Amino acid sequence: DTGVSQDPRHKITKRGQNVTFRCDPISEHNRLYWYRQTLGQGPEFLTYFQNEAQLEKSRLLSDRFSAERPKGSFSTLEIQRTEQGDSAMYLCASSLTLNAPQFFGPGTRLTVL
Amino acid sequence: GIQVEQSPPDLILQEGANSTLRCNFSDSVNNLQWFHQNPWGQLINLFYIPSGTKQNGRLSATTVATERYSLLYISSSQTTDSGVYFCAVEGSGSRLTFGEGTQLTVNP
Repeated sequence: DTGVSQDPRHKITKRGQNVTFRCDPISEHNRLYWYRQTLGQGPEFLTYFQNEAQLEKSRLLSDRFSAERPKGSFSTLEIQRTEQGDSAMYLCASSLTLNAPQFFGPGTRLTVL
Repeated sequence: GIQVEQSPPDLILQEGANSTLRCNFSDSVNNLQWFHQNPWGQLINLFYIPSGTKQNGRLSATTVATERYSLLYISSSQTTDSGVYFCAVEGSGSRLTFGEGTQLTVNP
């Protein structure tokens, strides 16, 4: 039984570049979530999908951020024109149903220079 | 939105000691989870406990939903228990709202 996987684990980029992260949820989990965590804080919700539908987006998700989940399987999170304030750990989670426990991947640590 | 407060923010113990971590939340919840974040940032699921009591080895948790708090007990602590412990709740929406965590340090 494989858990949630994320790729890459680390990304260093220059300000203004675009980056894309991938998340593969636990198989058969139809809900997929993205969170962001900055140093010393708890994770903060960004967005979630039920199957391929993006059902909720946080106000933290500016128009430079876009997320997709084609065919209800893996998901991608893209950040355009990265800023230094985007430096954070980006965490993906999945769950089987509403109110079921969420299981987290290892995260992608983004550093914007 | 729902507010989550964890206490204490920091806790230093000697190996073998017991501890209690607290999580208060501001509204009714459909989901409450406790996590341990390891030094590499991975969130490890400890308990899914929207109500009641559960035990897993040296760890146990109790949630009193009507009074809006949850407790995580760690007995006979070990150095490997060190790290940040998060409480996270899911209210009427689908998002988890996290507290700011308790940084636990267990010294040998």
